Amino acid sequence: DAGITQSPRHKVTETGTPVTLRCHQTENHRYMYWYRQDPGHGLRLIHYSYGVKDTDKGEVSDGYSVSRSKTEDFLLTLESATSSQTSVYFCAISKGGPSTDTQYFGPGTRLTVL
Amino acid sequence: GQNIDQPTEMTATEGAIVQINCTYQTSGFNGLFWYQQHAGEAPTFLSYNVLDGLEEKGRFSSFLSRSKGYSYLLLKELQMKDSASYLCAAHYGGATNKLIFGTGTLLAVQP
Repeated sequence: DAGITQSPRHKVTETGTPVTLRCHQTENHRYMYWYRQDPGHGLRLIHYSYGVKDTDKGEVSDGYSVSRSKTEDFLLTLESATSSQTSVYFCAISKGGPSTDTQYFGPGTRLTVL
Repeated sequence: GQNIDQPTEMTATEGAIVQINCTYQTSGFNGLFWYQQHAGEAPTFLSYNVLDGLEEKGRFSSFLSRSKGYSYLLLKELQMKDSASYLCAAHYGGATNKLIFGTGTLLAVQP
């Protein structure tokens, strides 16, 4: 299994509070991704990174920001959490780009916004 | 957009064979993945098809027809532990440059 960890694994928070999720990899892969998974929607890309300090938006980026200050860490921040952001969040990594290489997933973070 | 279509649910019997179909839009298509996801767990990589034809990997095989925008995952000698969601995902290049996922097929294997 790819060396990917996510923290926290579970979090309950209240509407309007900021939340930061962390993804950590030990594979030294260049690309890192944040997805959310909701019933009936499948996995949807929030943001991805193609290197330190290099990020790009996915299809559902509104309300989310990301940062990557080190190769191994990719942070996802919900500036002011809303109930619509209740979801399971998965981090993924790949050696090559999003249209050419296999992505490997972390264990996920279950976030509940009350 | 790039729509990925696959059945929502399927049921099969232990020891049998099941085929899970997936259709996708062909414009900008690079290749097709299948992932397995057990309840409450992360998706895990099963297969990647770039060329037309069937690729076999133990009990699991995956087929691709690029011209028809069609793939299937074939599971043989079904076991109870095969009960899971199976995610079809397509690589799109060009301006899209993304991996697009279907909503997944929930397979229930019954004794």
